[in-house]
Formats: sequence, C-alpha cells, structure tokens
Amino acid sequence: NAGVMQNPRHLVRRRGQEARLRCSPMKGHSHVYWYRQLPEEGLKFMVYLQKENIIDESGMPKERFSAEFPKEGPSILRIQQVVRGDSAAYFCASSLTVSYGYTFGSGTRLTVV
Amino acid sequence: GENVEQHPSTLSVQEGDSAVIKCTYSDSASNYFPWYKQELGKGPQLIIDIRSNVGEKKDQRIAVTLNKTAKHFSLHITETQPEDSAVYFCAAPLTQGGSEKLVFGKGTKLTVNP
Repeated sequence: NAGVMQNPRHLVRRRGQEARLRCSPMKGHSHVYWYRQLPEEGLKFMVYLQKENIIDESGMPKERFSAEFPKEGPSILRIQQVVRGDSAAYFCASSLTVSYGYTFGSGTRLTVV
Repeated sequence: GENVEQHPSTLSVQEGDSAVIKCTYSDSASNYFPWYKQELGKGPQLIIDIRSNVGEKKDQRIAVTLNKTAKHFSLHITETQPEDSAVYFCAAPLTQGGSEKLVFGKGTKLTVNP
C-alpha cells in the first residue's frame, strides 16, 4: 500500500497560470480532504470530497479554486489564474471513515512567481 | 463551529526531559482527538489518538489525556529524543451541515536539544 500519493511535490507557476494538484488516496479510502498550509501556520481545511461528490467546500475560496474526485483517477485541486498569495503547501488526506485516522500525503508545494 | 486552541506555539526541552502540549476545543459533541507530527518538508503523520470514552491512552513514550468536562486534551512525550523535534498538531472533528472534518490547532514547534 503506497499511502496517499500527491504530485507534483513542487510546482512553480507564473501569476495568471493554472495550477493542477493531484491526489491518489490510499487503497480503499473513499473520503478525500484538501488542506492548505502557509509557512509557520497550521492546516486550514479547504474541501471534502467523496467519489464524484463534493461534500463540503466551505473552506475553499469561491473564485479560482475548484476540486473534483472523479469515479476513475485521482482527486484534482485546480487553481486558476494563480496569484502570489496562493503560494503554500497543499496537503491531501484520505480516510476509510469520516474524520477518523486521516492519512496525509507528502504535499505539493506551490510557488507563484 | 469547532475552535481548537493549541499551546505553546514553541517548546524547547533538553534531551531526556518531558514535553507537554495542550489543546482546548469548543464543540462538546466532539468525540475523537488525534495528534499529528510533521517533520520538515513532510506531510503530517498520525502518532496517537483518543476517543471520548477513555481518559488516557499510552503508546511507549507518548501519551494523550482527555478531560471532556473541561474540553481539553494534552500530548505528553517522556524521555524526549532529538528525533522528536518536529511540529505537533492537535485536531478535533467538526460536524456541520452533513459534513464532518478535522479542525487543527496552529501547531507546536518542539525542539529537543541534545
């Protein structure tokens, strides 16, 4: 079991470009969560998804950010028209049941230049 | 909604000493309290968790205590070692509008000095 796989590990984008972050949950896990971490800060909830459904997107900015977890393939966090303030580490976690025992991926570190 | 407060934000101890990190939460319905360790450049890793039907749980040098009445829980690390140096996060679940997710404290940067 390879755990939660996130790619890319590092992503550099110019202002105005799109960033696509991928997350493959642990085998058998149907709950996927995305968190954002700014330097020296904690983990801020963004969105909670199950297969083909967004359950809770209350932590995600209304504009430029979107997430999906298709029937086949990884979960995708998409940030359109990136700005410098989007620079952060984005972590994906998956769980077998709601909330209990999150397993985190290694994160994608997005740098907007 | 759930509000998780964590203290201290930084903690420096000598190797072999104990370290204690404390968290408080606001949602009395919360029933699961995990602790995560994050090393530099890595994702958070679950190190121990406790459910509300017990007051204490131990795993070798790590223990977690829970006081549901006071709504606080603590992480205790005994006989600290340099490899314990990391950022530690507490969390509590927030149930809201048919969704449940973990809300995290802001973290404690633990430094163990050899």
